[in-house]
Amino acid sequence: QSALTQPASVSGSPGQSITISCTGTSSDVGSYNLVSWYQQHPGKAPKLMIYEVSKRPSGVSNRFSGSKSGNTASLTISGLQAEDEADYYCCSYAGSSTFGGVFGGGTKLTVL
Amino acid sequence: QVQLVQSGAEVKKPGASVKVSCKASGYTFTGYYMHWVRQAPGQGLEWMGRINPNSGGTNYAQKFQGRVTMTRDTSISTAYMELSRLRSDDTAVYYCARDGVYGDYVGWYFDLWGRGTLVTVSS
Repeated sequence: QSALTQPASVSGSPGQSITISCTGTSSDVGSYNLVSWYQQHPGKAPKLMIYEVSKRPSGVSNRFSGSKSGNTASLTISGLQAEDEADYYCCSYAGSSTFGGVFGGGTKLTVL
Repeated sequence: QVQLVQSGAEVKKPGASVKVSCKASGYTFTGYYMHWVRQAPGQGLEWMGRINPNSGGTNYAQKFQGRVTMTRDTSISTAYMELSRLRSDDTAVYYCARDGVYGDYVGWYFDLWGRGTLVTVSS
């Protein structure tokens, strides 16, 4: 399966909102509400931020939200803070033909 | 404490095999699927496969079929990922990651991660 498509980088100033897109196909993102998002700081393991398109795990700030339209999922971070600067990855179930998962290429978020 | 503790860094020659371990603690090991994800230096995340620690059943990404074997030892709550016929482009950090759903259903999200194991393939 091919990787999901994310922008290589996004940026925003403290307090602003940004949105990261994650585009797949009708075989993965478009067919299942099994999209998740991960935050990764340099040298660290990824951290789950959103699952099942829009659900937030306990302990994750409500500044993080997720949505999906068609074959594209989105992660929105509102009220940007310096500690949000990190790499973000989306992931989706890729269907029963593969029984596998597929990640996006990752987006580097810079807080200006 | 709920955690996944992985084995230490490895250096291997091309053509060799590597076996990475992932010891679970603080939760019912057999209750959650375990996934393996890798990340090459400066690159993104790549899903490799998953194992049902209860049944031992596995599913592998097509890219790794024939080269990867995922197993588990329920007596010590440990999952293993073995990759054979190593190449230089297998140099990466290998993570184990717990599926977020308890039971036989795969939730396809990863709520608990190990710290990663660096595998370096070099002649």
